[in-house]
Amino acid sequence: DVKVTQSSRYLVKRTGEKVFLECVQDMDHENMFWYRQDPGLGLRLIYFSYDVKMKEKGDIPEGYSVSREKKERFSLILESASTNQTSMYLCASSSQRNEQFFGPGTRLTVL
Amino acid sequence: DAKTTQPTSMDCAEGRAANLPCNHSTISGNEYVYWYRQIHSQGPQYIIHGLKNNETNEMASLIITEDRKSSTLILPHATLRDTAVYYCIVRDGSSNTGKLIFGQGTTLQVKP
Repeated sequence: DVKVTQSSRYLVKRTGEKVFLECVQDMDHENMFWYRQDPGLGLRLIYFSYDVKMKEKGDIPEGYSVSREKKERFSLILESASTNQTSMYLCASSSQRNEQFFGPGTRLTVL
Repeated sequence: DAKTTQPTSMDCAEGRAANLPCNHSTISGNEYVYWYRQIHSQGPQYIIHGLKNNETNEMASLIITEDRKSSTLILPHATLRDTAVYYCIVRDGSSNTGKLIFGQGTTLQVKP
């Protein structure tokens, strides 16, 4: 059974903290994605990666960075968390030109 | 990628077919139509995709009009577990990155 896993389902952090969200896929996919989902705004793409050590900005990259040191792992980093980064974060992976598989999501609350 | 237009919400009786429409009038020749759904508190789930021919799999059928300006996702026998937000997305088939742009989707409520 194919799988995308995310390190936490729920996370609470304080303003100014550095936050790491980890995503791992076991399908040997080239592409990995980070989205955030907010009520009324739908899913918005933050960053994606189409190969190890490669990254591309999505639609809303400000305040985030990413790391892809290994093919199976894609990390989203909030250097200094702010309250407006409270959201549901979703990771996905896909092989070239094929459908994306999503993880269960991490609900992050920044106090 | 082309924009899509979907109704905000729909209801369907349990056991009946659910027909979810999507307009994509600006679709170009190499863009595929994808459908995903998102059940509450879960990540989106791929359902089906097509280019110009109708497609069917174990989950659903996808009917694409001849001019490709619209499509319909059909869940043949809806169950309560099919209650979800359904997203219609068009994507450039020549893109290697598989990037998707999600709209607001249609909230399908299956009622007993």
